[in-house]
Amino acid sequence: QQQVKQSPQSLIVQKGGIPIINCAYENTAFDYFPWYQQFPGKGPALLIAIRPDVSEKKEGRFTISFNKSAKQFSLHIMDSQPGDSATYFCAASGSSNTGKLIFGQGTTLQVKP
Amino acid sequence: GAVVSQHPSRVICKSGTSVKIECRSLDFQATTMFWYRQFPKKSLMLMATSNEGSKATYEQGVEKDKFLINHASLTLSTLTVTSAHPEDSSFYICSASRGGPTDTQYFGPGTRLTVL
Repeated sequence: QQQVKQSPQSLIVQKGGIPIINCAYENTAFDYFPWYQQFPGKGPALLIAIRPDVSEKKEGRFTISFNKSAKQFSLHIMDSQPGDSATYFCAASGSSNTGKLIFGQGTTLQVKP
Repeated sequence: GAVVSQHPSRVICKSGTSVKIECRSLDFQATTMFWYRQFPKKSLMLMATSNEGSKATYEQGVEKDKFLINHASLTLSTLTVTSAHPEDSSFYICSASRGGPTDTQYFGPGTRLTVL
């Protein structure tokens, strides 16, 4: 019940494309859903996060869509660039699990020039 | 704001020695710090949660006597890998949050540990 399932495992898109990464969770007590971007050999960096009181949040080229009834959320990257090539992790947490982040398995994105 | 640093960034040690990794919040006070371990091409695995001035809470399966965590101040937490062995080689990452554990976590750049 604590798992967060992320797909796809890897993704290749052309520059300007819109990669979409999906995550599904089981624990209905989760109330915080962040996305992190990680470059090789570096720590994860917070990209954008959403709480279940809204269905969509946009920050720059990054958009989270949230479907509470389906217990799913996704990251969309608009006008993707080669510099967006990285590994993306979704995560979930809630006060019921003392705020510990439960991470998805990660998605390696490659944006081709 | 919300910058977290780690030192060292890389460390190589001999089997049987102990290694200390520092995690610092540079521009904020971190009530809660977390320590993660990440294997190549894998996700982050939470090892323990620490609150300033109290004992760390370890996740199931993590040996508390092997991975010693100290959170002595609001800006510094340390992870000591005692009697390191090759299987302890990994990428160790810390994160910090300003408030309680439900606050946003900001991650450090990670420390690559190689045990020969």
